[in-house]
Amino acid sequence: DVVMTQSPRSLSVTLGQPASISCRSSRSLVHSDGNTYLNWFHQRPGQSPRRLIYKVSNRDSGVPDRFSGSGSGTDFTLKISRVEAEDIGVYYCSQATYWPPLTFGGGTKVEIK
Amino acid sequence: EVQHVETGGGLVQPGGSLRLSCAVSGVSISDYWMNWVRQAPGKGPEWVANIKQDGSEKYYVDSVRGRFTISRDNAMNSVDLQMDSLRAEDTAIYYCATSLLLAVWGKGTRVTVSS
Repeated sequence: DVVMTQSPRSLSVTLGQPASISCRSSRSLVHSDGNTYLNWFHQRPGQSPRRLIYKVSNRDSGVPDRFSGSGSGTDFTLKISRVEAEDIGVYYCSQATYWPPLTFGGGTKVEIK
Repeated sequence: EVQHVETGGGLVQPGGSLRLSCAVSGVSISDYWMNWVRQAPGKGPEWVANIKQDGSEKYYVDSVRGRFTISRDNAMNSVDLQMDSLRAEDTAIYYCATSLLLAVWGKGTRVTVSS
């Protein structure tokens, strides 16, 4: 199984400041079709996860452009350019290149300083 | 707007069974792989099972294979998860999610396995 490792486990950020979350996979996520199936999800307290980014860098509809995804191979990053109060919660990366199983990272909890 | 509504959760004793259902609106599930993903209390999401568009392929996480069965009814736009021989470690919120890229999730249904 592909192991997804996120860092840091938690992040305390001042409103309006940037934040960055790292996700590493145990093997390259480049699929034989050329795509890289790395996704990012956000889960607010008491809510279900919501996908933010798919295939490394594609924002889902309605996701603010302060969120961006980047990376390749085994190293990926989610950046928030200016953190807002609604961004608190836990962020998860997930891979869909080598499955079953689809696998998730352990999560990064973002809170406001 | 695409919506998923999961139902069927509840409290069950170890060894018991539950059947979860996911009703989808706003999109035809016949175009997508459909998944069940669970989240134990205080933990991250764990993919449980998925099923191909025509139902011809089904996959499961090792811990539930042989105990859980996923099925779908494209005409009813719904996906089910039959859960047998339930264990305490199956306690979680169960979500259905559309596509291999887990594009849309429902609010989930809570399953508690306890005596």
